[in-house]
Amino acid sequence: AQKVTQAQTEISVVEKEDVTLDCVYETRDTTYYLFWYKQPPSGELVFLIRRNSFDEQNEISGRYSWNFQKSTSSFNFTITASQVVDSAVYFCALSEYRSSNTGKLIFGQGTTLQVKP
Amino acid sequence: NAGVTQTPKFRVLKTGQSMTLLCAQDMNHEYMYWYRQDPGMGLRLIHYSVGEGTTAKGEVPDGYNVSRLKKQNFLLGLESAAPSQTSVYFCASSYFSSTTPGQATYNEQFFGPGTRLTVL
Repeated sequence: AQKVTQAQTEISVVEKEDVTLDCVYETRDTTYYLFWYKQPPSGELVFLIRRNSFDEQNEISGRYSWNFQKSTSSFNFTITASQVVDSAVYFCALSEYRSSNTGKLIFGQGTTLQVKP
Repeated sequence: NAGVTQTPKFRVLKTGQSMTLLCAQDMNHEYMYWYRQDPGMGLRLIHYSVGEGTTAKGEVPDGYNVSRLKKQNFLLGLESAAPSQTSVYFCASSYFSSTTPGQATYNEQFFGPGTRLTVL
């Protein structure tokens, strides 16, 4: 069965600290996609990154970086030198290819990040 | 481009009332989805559509119906609202691309701003 687990419900850090958000997934598909979305206090969902199961390269985009490890079924997200504007709910999501073939997303429960000044 | 829009933004219903939420996208996307967001539960898929005239059930379809008569619109209906349907509803759209022959790529979903529904 497919599942996404974000064990950290809430994280609070002080500005400029580094923070890592954990995401563990379960799937029987060999082809799948992983996503991270950000939901700021305004409520909209903002796409951050997509990674397919064939690409285990880590990715860095400015202060954001993602560590994808198939061996541990994890797709963790790190924010370096956090800022108050990073305060949001972050969702990890999974899309299976063969069993689903519809692109539908399975979301984790979300991690609320609070960055204090 | 407006992207994905949702109507209305807020709504309060009494138990037993009916209503329709409208989602519209101007990106010519094939796929459209309705999710609900409840505290501590992330987003859960209600119904989805992989093309005009087709719909399918998601994870939590009970109490909802959908229609996709036009490619750009995806309607979510509540026939007899219940307090358990108090939630924030998000519509999303996406598209399929293929950069490698025989292998398709699922791209990110584009979300609407959400509809906050309260059922009293």
